[in-house]
Amino acid sequence: GAVVSQHPSRVICKSGTSVKIECRSLDFQATTMFWYRQFPKQSLMLMATSNEGSKATYEQGVEKDKFLINHASLTLSTLTVTSAHPEDSSFYICSASQRAKEGDTQYFGPGTRLTVL
Amino acid sequence: KQEVTQIPAALSVPEGENLVLNCSFTDSAIYNLQWFRQDPGKGLTSLLLIQSSQREQTSGRLNASLDKSSGRSTLYIAASQPGDSATYLCAVGYYNQGGKLIFGQGTELSVKP
Repeated sequence: GAVVSQHPSRVICKSGTSVKIECRSLDFQATTMFWYRQFPKQSLMLMATSNEGSKATYEQGVEKDKFLINHASLTLSTLTVTSAHPEDSSFYICSASQRAKEGDTQYFGPGTRLTVL
Repeated sequence: KQEVTQIPAALSVPEGENLVLNCSFTDSAIYNLQWFRQDPGKGLTSLLLIQSSQREQTSGRLNASLDKSSGRSTLYIAASQPGDSATYLCAVGYYNQGGKLIFGQGTELSVKP
């Protein structure tokens, strides 16, 4: 089956630093990748949709300058949390699909736990 | 606004019991609906996917139903086991949304031996 990996699985950083999270589709080409964040005991909230080779589309209320998304290849998307603050501490999950169409299966990564001190 | 709601938020049952998790959605013009399982600190595992033209899907002890007209889906788990303990999320896909999924808040299930 299709596998999506995330790296790192866990990161702790100081306030004010930037953190990069990678999302990779290991055995398929992902035209589209989605980035979600999940606070404790809450659901997944979509942050942005990234399509290979184009700018990401951010959901309302998500700061594009704070959460930089790059989808430079069909197997890799990165999320950079710039100048991280404690309120950015969360569980970040990516998913990947072959096409940006309803009905296309999204394959989810294992998530990255970010803790900002 | 398209919203997905899951009830109950948490559920604790003894092993062997049959149980039902509920999911409701405000906009019935869905393309599909999925049920996922999430273990603590982990990613999502897809359990069942129901297309809008379908009424139910089954996999082992799991059965998911879909009633678009009433905006509801249920996940039925038969003969629950301690290994079923996890958070169950339902997610809805809509037309012309580029494949985006809208998630419910989840139901945290605990099955006690």
